[in-house]
Amino acid sequence: DSGVTQTPKHLITATGQRVTLRCSPRSGDLSVYWYQQSLDQGLQFLIQYYNGEERAKGNILERFSAQQFPDLHSELNLSSLELGDSALYFCASSSQIGGSYEQYFGPGTRLTVT
Amino acid sequence: LAKTTQPISMDSYEGQEVNITCSHNNIATNDYITWYQQFPSQGPRFIIQGYKTKVTNEVASLFIPADRKSSTLSLPRVSLSDTAVYYCLVGGPNSGNTPLVFGKGTRLSVIA
Repeated sequence: DSGVTQTPKHLITATGQRVTLRCSPRSGDLSVYWYQQSLDQGLQFLIQYYNGEERAKGNILERFSAQQFPDLHSELNLSSLELGDSALYFCASSSQIGGSYEQYFGPGTRLTVT
Repeated sequence: LAKTTQPISMDSYEGQEVNITCSHNNIATNDYITWYQQFPSQGPRFIIQGYKTKVTNEVASLFIPADRKSSTLSLPRVSLSDTAVYYCLVGGPNSGNTPLVFGKGTRLSVIA
């Protein structure tokens, strides 16, 4: 158990819909990262927050957005969903701002868009 | 941002030592080399990190030559439970705005 929690574990929704994925980092960790992993693909970095502020952006679509709240939990919002958005979405947390510090990954949310 | 190249897949028999090499020709002076392990449908897990020479922990060893343009993750006496994808990443402690790139990793299959 990494100490990072993600909800929900599974999500099935239709094209065009909007969903919100939630992540609670390890206690004390200020950095939160979001990743997308499609079938047989590597982990694609989406976005990083550090202590409530957006720190870095990867290949995140304009239809996707995220935020980190004062209690440090984070949410990833996915809108106008397409079939290609079906993937595992991981959240990771770290105590430091730099990406080279150990990241602790949550169990992931499996999103299926039908 | 340092790019890494590692084999797509490897096979090994149980009990053998497995070495996975990663190339990172444009590694920066303050970059560290980090390896993660990922089992199917689970989040990656940190294995080991190093800057130069050799690092060893209870799970693996990491060998880094003097020029640091490559590194080798060594898994001693693998078992079936070591079947996973292994990612090599390169980045510095202050690379907050240039996050690590996981890529597709190396898929290790351990055979009985």
